[in-house]
Amino acid sequence: GAVVSQHPSRVICKSGTSVKIECRSLDFQATTMFWYRQFPKQSLMLMATSNEGSKATYEQGVEKDKFLINHASLTLSTLTVTSAHPEDSSFYICSARNRVDSPLHFGNGTRLTVT
Amino acid sequence: GNSVTQMEGPVTLSEEAFLTINCTYTATGYPSLFWYVQYPGEGLQLLLKATKADDKGSNKGFEATYRKETTSFHLEKGSVQVSDSAVYFCALSDPSNDYKLSFGAGTTVTVRA
Repeated sequence: GAVVSQHPSRVICKSGTSVKIECRSLDFQATTMFWYRQFPKQSLMLMATSNEGSKATYEQGVEKDKFLINHASLTLSTLTVTSAHPEDSSFYICSARNRVDSPLHFGNGTRLTVT
Repeated sequence: GNSVTQMEGPVTLSEEAFLTINCTYTATGYPSLFWYVQYPGEGLQLLLKATKADDKGSNKGFEATYRKETTSFHLEKGSVQVSDSAVYFCALSDPSNDYKLSFGAGTTVTVRA
């Protein structure tokens, strides 16, 4: 079945540094990828939608300059948390789909800890 | 807009007990409904889905029926195992919203031996 690989699974960084998270579709072309943030014991909050070759669409309240999303190819999207602060510590999850009505496939998530 | 409301947890059960997690939704269009499962430290896995009214989704002993009249999609399993311990999310995707997923808050289920 379709697989989405997310890397790294865990990352610890110092406050003020930037962190890049990769999301790859391994056996299908992901025309659309979604990035979510999940706080402890809470649901997933959609941060942004990225379509291959175009700018990401951010949900209300999400800072686009802080959470940079690049979807340069049909198999790779990246989320860069710029100038990270402790409040950015969270679990970030990506998902990907081929067509607009295709099932969504999720990565295993990235646990970001900012010290 | 679209929203999903699911039963608050946590839910703690003994092995072989019956599990039900309630889920209701509001949607502007004709949504598809899903249950996802999240094991500790992992992403989400699709458990089952239903795309139209009266459809029943089933997988690994879990079942849920799309009830349009009650706008519900309750998850049930007749005999749970310790390995079913996880967080369960009810979700909907609406074609009028570009098929984006709207999630419920999640229900933590712990099954004890």
